[in-house]
Amino acid sequence: AQSVTQLGSHVSVSEGALVLLRCNYSSSVPPYLFWYVQYPNQGLQLLLKYTTGATLVKGINGFEAEFKKSETSFHLTKPSAHMSDAAEYFCAVIPDSSYKLIFGSGTRLLVRP
Amino acid sequence: GAVVSQHPSRVICKSGTSVKIECRSLDFQATTMFWYRQFPKQSLMLMATSNEGSKATYEQGVEKDKFLINHASLTLSTLTVTSAHPEDSSFYICSAPNPRAGVESPLHFGNGTRLTVT
Repeated sequence: AQSVTQLGSHVSVSEGALVLLRCNYSSSVPPYLFWYVQYPNQGLQLLLKYTTGATLVKGINGFEAEFKKSETSFHLTKPSAHMSDAAEYFCAVIPDSSYKLIFGSGTRLLVRP
Repeated sequence: GAVVSQHPSRVICKSGTSVKIECRSLDFQATTMFWYRQFPKQSLMLMATSNEGSKATYEQGVEKDKFLINHASLTLSTLTVTSAHPEDSSFYICSAPNPRAGVESPLHFGNGTRLTVT
């Protein structure tokens, strides 16, 4: 079965520092990959997605992610953290044509002033 | 603006009562909608797939008699938590794909419903 693993339930960085949130997936074929952000008591907002084509994907709010097939990874990065980036981040995958999103366990990003 | 509207955003009910949550697609028709549940500080778990005009498909371990899903129109799916108990307290989120877009397009999510059963 398809699964998504997010390493680190909490990541803490200083404002202005690099943000790196890790995501690995298990799949025998390249899936569709997504990163979502969730603010408290709110729904999910799409940050970026990978479907086909360029493996480096740029999203909103300065985030980007790189699809690495050899490593089955789709890590999320941002060069410089902002206080407003503090939130929960979910990596997700659609492994087939069902539209069903399978979510990772989430990583809470804390940004220190 | 929001393309999927979920209502209510917050509800408190007494144990034993039933609660209905609505999920509407605002500018597209959704033959399929998904219902997720999120416990505090946990990930989203797919509960069921709501299918317009037919029975919902439930994920393993989800009680279909407990969580009634009705998808009576192409823009509305409802989730009814029947005989709610405190352990049903959770954050429920619906989502819908835009059928005009491919499967690789992102799902549209509602803003969620915080259910608290006292």
